[in-house]
Amino acid sequence: GAGVSQSPRYKVAKRGQDVALRCDPISGHVSLFWYQQALGQGPEFLTYFQNEAQLDKSGLPSDRFFAERPEGSVSTLKIQRTQQEDSAVYLCASSSYFTDEKLFFGSGTQLSVL
Amino acid sequence: GDSVTQMEGPVTLSEEAFLTINCTYTATGYPSLFWYVQYPGEGLQLLLKATKADDKGSNKGFEATYRKETTSFHLEKGSVQVSDSAVYFCALRGANSKLTFGKGITLSVRP
Repeated sequence: GAGVSQSPRYKVAKRGQDVALRCDPISGHVSLFWYQQALGQGPEFLTYFQNEAQLDKSGLPSDRFFAERPEGSVSTLKIQRTQQEDSAVYLCASSSYFTDEKLFFGSGTQLSVL
Repeated sequence: GDSVTQMEGPVTLSEEAFLTINCTYTATGYPSLFWYVQYPGEGLQLLLKATKADDKGSNKGFEATYRKETTSFHLEKGSVQVSDSAVYFCALRGANSKLTFGKGITLSVRP
């Protein structure tokens, strides 16, 4: 597709359940970012990849959060044993190079943990 | 650490009114500054940017000037349209190369 695609668009999970969120970046984009956006807040950085290498994961809130991008294209953000405070919109963004300041964002996955 | 502060919202204006959305920042060094916009049902998209002091970013009739002396990057438009209704985020990219966003502000424009 022409843009960054994220799936699912909405996800409802029971507390304690594991979830996996998918991001398809723009074809050929080297850099991929994950952000978490709580209700009424701006996006907060979670992690980023340059190709398949995860170069920064300093924003991941706990070891329950794990991200991967094994072939340098599609990325998955996994959250284990979800908790209510994980409820947020998870945004994925990609760019041509890490130093490219124009990020292209997906529409996000809205996660609700009950 | 880096931070961005936006004025509280929401903001409601009539069509053709003048718009100002305030944004101030705290960062070490010389960050790049951005305004992103999120239209209903769409992803965040870059509206404009400025990479050094006194630069003016502009797009779609919107403007913002990088003011280092006041650490500000206020967004302005002379005449808003209904189609400008969206959520606007101010952001910076600092020495650690990550984007730091403000909380965002919702703009509603009435016909």
